[in-house]
Amino acid sequence: NAGVTQTPKFQVLKTGQSMTLQCAQDMNHNSMYWYRQDPGMGLRLIYYSASEGTTDKGEVPNGYNVSRLNKREFSLRLESAAPSQTSVYFCASSEAQGGETQYFGPGTRLLVL
Amino acid sequence: KNEVEQSPQNLTAQEGEFITINCSYSVGISALHWLQQHPGGGIVSLFMLSSGKKKHGRLIATINIQEKHSSLHITASHPRDSAVYICAVVRGTGNQFYFGTGTSLTVIP
Repeated sequence: NAGVTQTPKFQVLKTGQSMTLQCAQDMNHNSMYWYRQDPGMGLRLIYYSASEGTTDKGEVPNGYNVSRLNKREFSLRLESAAPSQTSVYFCASSEAQGGETQYFGPGTRLLVL
Repeated sequence: KNEVEQSPQNLTAQEGEFITINCSYSVGISALHWLQQHPGGGIVSLFMLSSGKKKHGRLIATINIQEKHSSLHITASHPRDSAVYICAVVRGTGNQFYFGTGTSLTVIP
């Protein structure tokens, strides 16, 4: 099993460009999450999907959109990238919501110039 | 103010030392997690606690619900334990994690 996979691993964007970060899990998990990690700050939740067909905002959703394409895949889209979105993005999944152990992808390092 | 505070922020230890990392939180929680972030960036879950104590190999995690405090202990530390250790809490009946900023541990041979 690959666990949680993310693409791309690294991306450079210019301000105003758009891109989609892809995430997939092969553990048949119901819940999936997108986080960002910035220096000196803890991981912060951007959006989550408790189950296929549902998505909810987390702590820092502004500037992002998500799609739960199916049970396996959860994508994060930046419509118009800004330098403040320079960060490392992690996708995670868990069997269910409610505090269950989360399994993390390897991360995507995004630089917005 | 972050709802989850970890101490120390940075820790350097000699190989073989006993290590303690602390986590305090200010809200009611249903669970607390300890995670390890490797130097390459990957994050793995170590423990999930709602009460008491758990042990896995050289790692021990404890939680005191009344005092809103948890500790992660590493016995007989080894250079391969060098990583960032992150505490995360789950509030009440919610499903969102709230993370501490992490403790960066370096174990010197």
